[in-house]
Amino acid sequence: NAGVTQTPKFRVLKTGQSMTLLCAQDMNHEYMYWYRQDPGMGLRLIHYSVGEGTTAKGEVPDGYNVSRLKKQNFLLGLESAAPSQTSVYFCASSTGRNEQFFGPGTRLTVL
Amino acid sequence: DQQVKQNSPSLSVQEGRISILNCDYTNSMFDYFLWYKKYPAEGPTFLISISSIKDKNEDGRFTVFLNKSAKHLSLHIVPSQPGDSAVYFCAATTNDYKLSFGAGTTVTVRA
Repeated sequence: NAGVTQTPKFRVLKTGQSMTLLCAQDMNHEYMYWYRQDPGMGLRLIHYSVGEGTTAKGEVPDGYNVSRLKKQNFLLGLESAAPSQTSVYFCASSTGRNEQFFGPGTRLTVL
Repeated sequence: DQQVKQNSPSLSVQEGRISILNCDYTNSMFDYFLWYKKYPAEGPTFLISISSIKDKNEDGRFTVFLNKSAKHLSLHIVPSQPGDSAVYFCAATTNDYKLSFGAGTTVTVRA
């Protein structure tokens, strides 16, 4: 099992550009999450999904959109990137209200 | 406003001694608590958890203590080993599957 994988690992964008981060899990988990990690802030929840075809806003959803067309994939989109979105992004999945399994992260820099 | 706080950004401990990491929370609805460990350039990995119906949970060298009246939990690592050097995140959740994370404590185990 690969667990949770994230694509790409690194990306540099210019302000105003768009991009999509892909998260895939092979554990048949219902729940998937997108977090961002910033220095001194811990991990903050951006959006999450409780099943295929569903999404919901987390703590810091502004400037991001998500889609969960397939159970195993959870996409995070930035339509118009801003320097404030420079961060490390983590995807996670879980079977419910227990431990979440995290991917290795995507380091995004917006210039 | 952060609902989970780790007030010690760093901790240095000698190999073989005990590491004690602290976490405070403000939301009285939290009823499940988790600790995650994170190495550089990797995603967080689950370490240990505790339900609010318990006040202690042990797993090998790791023990988590919960004091609900004080809204405080702690993680004890005994004995500390060099491989324990990492960032430790405290997290908490209600029944909605969303985790609230603390800012993390960086543990350095000295030889």
